Amino acid sequence: GEDVEQSLFLSVREGDSSVINCTYTDSSSTYLYWYKQEPGAGLQLLTYIFSNMDMKQDQRLTVLLNKKDKHLSLRIADTQTGDSAIYFCACGSSNTGKLIFGQGTTLQVKP
Amino acid sequence: EAGVAQSPRYKIIEKRQSVAFWCNPISGHATLYWYQQILGQGPKLLIQFQNNGVVDDSQLPKDRFSAERLKGVDSTLKIQPAKLEDSAVYLCASSLGDRETQYFGPGTRLLVL
Repeated sequence: GEDVEQSLFLSVREGDSSVINCTYTDSSSTYLYWYKQEPGAGLQLLTYIFSNMDMKQDQRLTVLLNKKDKHLSLRIADTQTGDSAIYFCACGSSNTGKLIFGQGTTLQVKP
Repeated sequence: EAGVAQSPRYKIIEKRQSVAFWCNPISGHATLYWYQQILGQGPKLLIQFQNNGVVDDSQLPKDRFSAERLKGVDSTLKIQPAKLEDSAVYLCASSLGDRETQYFGPGTRLLVL
């Protein structure tokens, strides 16, 4: 079945850039999403990219998509302590319509 | 615009008891989802509704879980009887339609003792 993999933990210093990586197996993924989950909260949509795009930039966020390698990344520029959270990659299959989530990457931002 | 609303936010019950969760989606969203998120994992789809009809309930443990969306707006998810392994966050999400961007509520944190 479809699978989405993420590294579990990333620690950066405030002001540095953070890069969170994600790999997926379903080549029919049409939409690829990044969600943020703060402690005790639901999932907040951060950004998404269509499968026919290579890159999308939205303020401090840059999403890169390598369809050949089925690799997605989220870059956060000038990372702040408020960016500390769990980040989920999710892939939407055009075949099943289902959204498959990775296990989440915990981002720790040190002052 | 109001987001997805869920209640209660927290629930503690003993095993074999029953529990119900409520979700009110974003106004105008035809598609509603219930996910289960176990600690340390990503959300996993339990059931998807399109208006008041079930689109996908293949991952719903039907011997103990049930869900309904009678008027195509609000939805309830019920567990009866609860097991220890049902301890998780239950997330409701909605979207304009199938395969559209999903927006999540704050979740209900369930602890089964």
